[in-house]
Amino acid sequence: ETGVTQTPRHLVMGMTNKKSLKCEQHLGHNAMYWYKQSAKKPLELMFVYNFKEQTENNSVPSRFSPECPNSSHLFLHLHTLQPEDSALYLCASSQLLAGDLNEQYFGPGTRLTVT
Amino acid sequence: RKEVEQDPGPFNVPEGATVAFNCTYSNSASQSFFWYRQDCRKEPKLLMSVYSSGNEDGRFTAQLNRASQYISLLIRDSKLSDSATYLCVVKGRGGSYIPTFGRGTSLIVHP
Repeated sequence: ETGVTQTPRHLVMGMTNKKSLKCEQHLGHNAMYWYKQSAKKPLELMFVYNFKEQTENNSVPSRFSPECPNSSHLFLHLHTLQPEDSALYLCASSQLLAGDLNEQYFGPGTRLTVT
Repeated sequence: RKEVEQDPGPFNVPEGATVAFNCTYSNSASQSFFWYRQDCRKEPKLLMSVYSSGNEDGRFTAQLNRASQYISLLIRDSKLSDSATYLCVVKGRGGSYIPTFGRGTSLIVHP
């Protein structure tokens, strides 16, 4: 399936590095999301964008910086991360934020390891 | 009480068995409910939305009980390929669109 793509699929970075995760959706959706999934924990919502505007920042540390240039693309810029930030980062999109068309479709994720 | 609670399992069942999972939610104002399936080291995939009247998709049946604030997923005639983690998702906190995921219930179907 190529509805929501994410690159890179795997990333190893040092604590002083700067890197970016990219998400692209080909579904014509208007809302995009970043989630973090750590082992043995439920998915944690990080950011929500609706029509390119950020509508939710779920108390995420500033070392994570999202960017949404248009409704199809979403980035997560990373800098000075900590080892506990190692996790699977998932991007998702939905047609709408609420109502009948709010089912989310996920990308394959980026597995991030911070050393 | 956690917002969305699921029994983590694992539920270990033989092929052909019927298995059911429940998911309880704490916010009575919740509006939308979903079941997702997540395979090991893969992304969650939408299995089905849960409607007030209950809905069925092949071997899968979802039910919503608003009075007791839970949703359920019933899988009939289990297949080996059904082995996965099943995530319950609840949306709407006082009209909010923020989705809340449960920790998931692990299902293992064995020969």
